[in-house]
Amino acid sequence: ETGVTQSPTHLIKTRGQQVTLRCSSQSGHNTVSWYQQALGQGPQFIFQYYREEENGRGNFPPRFSGLQFPNYSSELNVNALELDDSALYLCASSLRGVNNEQFFGPGTRLTVL
Amino acid sequence: GENVEQHPSTLSVQEGDSAVIKCTYSDSASNYFPWYKQELGKRPQLIIDIRSNVGEKKDQRIAVTLNKTAKHFSLHITETQPEDSAVYFCATPDSGGYQKVTFGTGTKLQVIP
Repeated sequence: ETGVTQSPTHLIKTRGQQVTLRCSSQSGHNTVSWYQQALGQGPQFIFQYYREEENGRGNFPPRFSGLQFPNYSSELNVNALELDDSALYLCASSLRGVNNEQFFGPGTRLTVL
Repeated sequence: GENVEQHPSTLSVQEGDSAVIKCTYSDSASNYFPWYKQELGKRPQLIIDIRSNVGEKKDQRIAVTLNKTAKHFSLHITETQPEDSAVYFCATPDSGGYQKVTFGTGTKLQVIP
């Protein structure tokens, strides 16, 4: 098992609500990436945080936002939830550099009703 | 951005047989190629990776081959066992200077005892 943790494990929200997901990176890692994995699909890159700033973004609207804290932990915030936001949200931590391995957390399963 | 195609989408093999999964990518500057195994309800876990300065890497029953000219890389599992049953994802980072990783669409491997 990796040292990456995520909370909560599961979450149920209704359409239009807001949600915050949390990720604690592995010790020594300074970069956190967030992915959305819909059922039966591969993870899709949302964005990455390094030194508390967004450092690259995938094809996701601005209602997906994030934060990184001085201890390198991170939050993913999603506003105005839509039914299609239902997915497994994975964070991955790594050490900044070229082609460094990413270690995934267990994920948060979000269901939007 | 990077485009990664993965085949086949499903694969059934008899226990003890070999399994091969292939991915093609579009960004000729890509130089790191990881493979992830994801069991049902669990996080993706790195099982093997290869960098562009080598053509093949082996770890016990698992091997990865890379053909940079043709822009494809393959996962080979020999002497398959029931516990190899899972979804396998290839991936490659974009060469855009940050660690966005583009995943393939996944291959569901079933090893029949």
